[in-house]
Amino acid sequence: NAGVTQTPKFQVLKTGQSMTLQCAQDMNHNSMYWYRQDPGMGLRLIYYSASEGTTDKGEVPNGYNVSRLNKREFSLRLESAAPSQTSVYFCASIYRSARAVRGYTFGSGTRLTVV
Amino acid sequence: GQQLNQSPQSMFIQEGEDVSMNCTSSSIFNTWLWYKQDPGEGPVLLIALYKAGELTSNGRLTAQFGITRKDSFLNISASIPSDVGIYFCAGHSGNTPLVFGKGTRLSVIA
Repeated sequence: NAGVTQTPKFQVLKTGQSMTLQCAQDMNHNSMYWYRQDPGMGLRLIYYSASEGTTDKGEVPNGYNVSRLNKREFSLRLESAAPSQTSVYFCASIYRSARAVRGYTFGSGTRLTVV
Repeated sequence: GQQLNQSPQSMFIQEGEDVSMNCTSSSIFNTWLWYKQDPGEGPVLLIALYKAGELTSNGRLTAQFGITRKDSFLNISASIPSDVGIYFCAGHSGNTPLVFGKGTRLSVIA
C-alpha cells in the first residue's frame, strides 16, 4: 500500500534513554518532515529534509537529530529522552517541484511516553 | 516565523447544520491545505488550494483560498456524525515547510 509508514506505533522510554523513530515512504516524494503534536499546540515542525542529502531545523529541533538515509527513509533520533518529549510524532512526505507542491501525506504517528 | 490563527478552537453543532472555520496568516501563502484528523490517526488531506480566489469542493466540504493570500475558509454543509474530528489548516510559500494552525475540534450532536 502506498503511503508513509512509521515505526514503532507506541513506545515508552525512561528519562535518559535513546531511541530512533523510523519513517519510510514509497511514493517517490522528495521532501520529508517530522512533526510533533501536543494538546492545544497543533503540529510543530521538528526537522525536515527538502531533498535527499539535506536536513534543516524546524520550529522545535532541540533534543532531536535526524538522518535522511535515502530518498525513502527519514529517521528521528532522541539521544537522551526527557519527559518534555512525551508527544505524538508524525512523519510526512511531499513531492515538491519548482512550480508546486503535491501530495502532503502523513503517517499514522508514533505515540511516545517518557517517564 | 510564520503564524497561523485558526478559529474557532472548538465547535458543538447539531447534526444537519452547516459549519464554517477559517485561518489567517501573518504572511502571504501560495498554498493552503485543509486536513482532518480522527482520534489515533494522522491528519488526512481534505482539500488543497493553489491559487488566490480558488474555490474547491470535496463532497460536502468547500474551501476557499482568500484573495489576499493571507486567509482560507472551510465550510462543511449538512454535518453528519462522522464529521467529528479535528480540522487543521496549513499553508506555505516558496520552499518553506508547511505551517499548521492549532486546529478546530468539531463535535456533532445527533
